[in-house]
Amino acid sequence: AQSVTQLGSHVSVSEGALVLLRCNYSSSVPPYLFWYVQYPNQGLQLLLKYTSAATLVKGINGFEAEFKKSETSFHLTKPSAHMSDAAEYFCGVSGGNNRLAFGKGNQVVVIP
Amino acid sequence: DGGITQSPKYLFRKEGQNVTLSCEQNLNHDAMYWYRQDPGQGLRLIYYSQIVNDFQKGDIAEGYSVSREKKESFPLTVTSAQKNPTAFYLCASSQQGIEDSPLHFGNGTRLTVT
Repeated sequence: AQSVTQLGSHVSVSEGALVLLRCNYSSSVPPYLFWYVQYPNQGLQLLLKYTSAATLVKGINGFEAEFKKSETSFHLTKPSAHMSDAAEYFCGVSGGNNRLAFGKGNQVVVIP
Repeated sequence: DGGITQSPKYLFRKEGQNVTLSCEQNLNHDAMYWYRQDPGQGLRLIYYSQIVNDFQKGDIAEGYSVSREKKESFPLTVTSAQKNPTAFYLCASSQQGIEDSPLHFGNGTRLTVT
């Protein structure tokens, strides 16, 4: 079975500052890893995914994530936060069984 | 445009009543999923179906039932046996192989049971 740990349910960041959201996974097989974003009262939208190609993955809206097998991590970053980045972010892992397990999410607040 | 439609957006029911949440997709996806979202709990998988007339339990299937009679439809019934049914319910779909075809989500149904 696969699982994901996201620490810090609420993350505050100043506008223009670095956004860093941490994700650590557990998987008995090579994982597929995802980051999704959710705006209030909506479904989730895919930000980026890792599927065993390049370890540094670039996504939409200026986000990127780096897969580090030795650290079982897939942290999400954005160099400069924008007000529109305020949302909830979920890390997900799949072990190739067509099931996606999500972490508990990070609520990002951007301070002007 | 292709997508996933969940209806209604808000649903209110009395305790002890069964209620069915609708999920329809026109993406021609084979697989469909139901997740439950509670504050601070993330998303938890209730049921999923990889093909018509077949479905599997997820992590929290107790108190729920589903059917998959058509490729485009995957309704979820919240039964009176579900002890804490009030939540935000999300339906998703994908082609076979999440690694190539990540999940597409509907906009959710917020169920309140009193």
